[in-house]
Amino acid sequence: AQSVTQLGSHVSVSEGALVLLRCNYSSSVPPYLFWYVQYPNQGLQLLLKYTSAATLVKGINGFEAEFKKSETSFHLTKPSAHMSDAAEYFCAVTVFSGGYNKLIFGAGTRLAVHP
Amino acid sequence: DAGITQSPRHKVTETGTPVTLRCHQTENHRYMYWYRQDPGHGLRLIHYSYGVKDTDKGEVSDGYSVSRSKTEDFLLTLESATSSQTSVYFCAISEGTGRNEQFFGPGTRLTVL
Repeated sequence: AQSVTQLGSHVSVSEGALVLLRCNYSSSVPPYLFWYVQYPNQGLQLLLKYTSAATLVKGINGFEAEFKKSETSFHLTKPSAHMSDAAEYFCAVTVFSGGYNKLIFGAGTRLAVHP
Repeated sequence: DAGITQSPRHKVTETGTPVTLRCHQTENHRYMYWYRQDPGHGLRLIHYSYGVKDTDKGEVSDGYSVSRSKTEDFLLTLESATSSQTSVYFCAISEGTGRNEQFFGPGTRLTVL
């Protein structure tokens, strides 16, 4: 079964430090991959997506992710964390099931940013 | 922001009572989805719709039913609520599937006592 694994349910960084949130997927075909962010008491907002064009994908708020087929990974990075980046982040992969494509989400990584 | 609203935003109910959550969109997107969010599980698909009157089950559909009589509205019903259905429920929409992203509503926090 196709799935998504996010390593680390909680990540804590200092303001100004590198942010690295890990995502590995399993898929038998080239996947479509997404990163979403959820701020407290809000819905999910798309950060970026990979749809088989460039392997390095740039998103909003200075985030980017690199698709590595050999490692089945799609890790999210940001060079310098801001306090406003504190949120929960979800990686998701499209799977084909029951005749339609559906999104499968990872369990999420909560990012804390401290001064 | 995509025009998606959910109602109610918060609800407390008792075990055994029926509950209906509403999702309304103004984007005219074909696909609509209901998810539940629980700690440690991310978001899990309950039901989805690929057109008016066309719906199908997701991975956690037991105890839930849906209806879509108009493009803009997707209703989720808990026929007889249980405490295990205490969760935050999100509606999402998309123009297509596969490479198309989903846009999410603000969520409904449901507590079943």
